[in-house]
Amino acid sequence: AQSVTQLGSHVSVSEGALVLLRCNYSSSVPPYLFWYVQYPNQGLQLLLKYTSAATLVKGINDFEAEFKKSETSFHLTKPSAHMSDAAEYFCAVSSNQAGTALIFGKGTTLSVSS
Amino acid sequence: DADVTQTPRNRITKTGKRIMLECSQTKGHDRMYWYRQDPGLGLQLIYYSFDVKDINKGEISDGYSVSRQAQAKFSLSLESAIPNQTALYFCATSDPGTGTSGEQFFGPGTRLTVL
Repeated sequence: AQSVTQLGSHVSVSEGALVLLRCNYSSSVPPYLFWYVQYPNQGLQLLLKYTSAATLVKGINDFEAEFKKSETSFHLTKPSAHMSDAAEYFCAVSSNQAGTALIFGKGTTLSVSS
Repeated sequence: DADVTQTPRNRITKTGKRIMLECSQTKGHDRMYWYRQDPGLGLQLIYYSFDVKDINKGEISDGYSVSRQAQAKFSLSLESAIPNQTALYFCATSDPGTGTSGEQFFGPGTRLTVL
């Protein structure tokens, strides 16, 4: 069975500050991991994904995430927050086995203040 | 044009009414999914379909049914809507054969309110 835990339902940062959104997963098989972003009144957009290649994954808008198997983590970071980064962020896990769907975390809302 | 479209985008209905939400995609993907999103709960899988003849229940299928009319169309029905089905509903598609590793592509969502 697979599961995802996002630590912190709400994170607040100042513009220009480091963004760190935490995600821990549980999987009995090698996982694929994803971060999606949802801007207000919009659908979900893929930020980045880990598919067993490089452990440090770079995504859109200067976001990146590092897969750490020993810590079962896939935390999302961005060096300098912009006001436009304010959104809800979802971590998700799937496996490389046929017939599996994505399992989503409960989401983290990021607020950015000026 | 959007690859994954949902109709309607907003719907207000009354308890006991039958409602159908429709999803169409032009991505040519075999796999389609329906999720509901509630504040603080993330996305929960309602049903998924890996091809036209394959329909599977997700974690919260009670009170819902689906129909996969074609590769490109996947409809979600609420046979008798109740207020706790008020939520944002998303359709998604994926295609493992293209090396996207399970990545899903989402529609814009349907906001359903049941009074």
